[in-house]
Amino acid sequence: EVVLTQSPGTLSLSPGERATLSCRASHSLSSRYLVWYQQKPGQAPRLLIYGSSSRATGIPDRFSGSGSGTDFTLTISRLEPEDFALYYCQHYDTTPPMYTFGQGTKLEIK
Amino acid sequence: QVQLQESGPGLVKPSETLSLTCNVSASSIGNDYFWSWIRQPPGRGLEWIGNVFQSGLTRYNPSLGSRVTISVDTSKNQISLRVTSVTAADTAVYFCARDDSLYYDNSAFGFDLWGQGTLVTVSS
Repeated sequence: EVVLTQSPGTLSLSPGERATLSCRASHSLSSRYLVWYQQKPGQAPRLLIYGSSSRATGIPDRFSGSGSGTDFTLTISRLEPEDFALYYCQHYDTTPPMYTFGQGTKLEIK
Repeated sequence: QVQLQESGPGLVKPSETLSLTCNVSASSIGNDYFWSWIRQPPGRGLEWIGNVFQSGLTRYNPSLGSRVTISVDTSKNQISLRVTSVTAADTAVYFCARDDSLYYDNSAFGFDLWGQGTLVTVSS
């Protein structure tokens, strides 16, 4: 079973700045199965990025994903006030089929 | 527009069984998606519990062992979750979600639609 480690635990930035969030896997993964979510307080997560780099429907283009192997990155090019939230990475294992989440990164206003 | 709504008791006693239902509106459950349960203890991260297909095929997170049962009632457009022998560690917000992992070429291999979640507290 893969372990996903997200860093940093908390990221303090200002609106307009660039955010870089990391998701590191305990062993090499297929980028096909790496997904990112955003979660705001009291809400369900929202799917942002799938297949490591494809934006989900309706997601602004300031959100981008990249990476391969064990290192994956979510980048927010210019932070908007509504982007301050929790972010999770998630991987889908095919054998046996199951999902694993990282522990999350909190993006807070500096 | 498909919507998901979880329902069930908000308080369950230790050693008893937690039972939740997820209603899928505006659409039949169909044969293009799995349907998952995911939980989030207060202030903590997300844990996938398991999923079900319209045929009744299920997959579970091994960490929860044999305490979990997920089922589907296509006539009612409902997904159900049962967790037996609960302890305080099962206290969490429970989400149902549409699970897009059926087709290799076109699936996101993630959860593209979520219910609002329901808090279940295990306490005597």
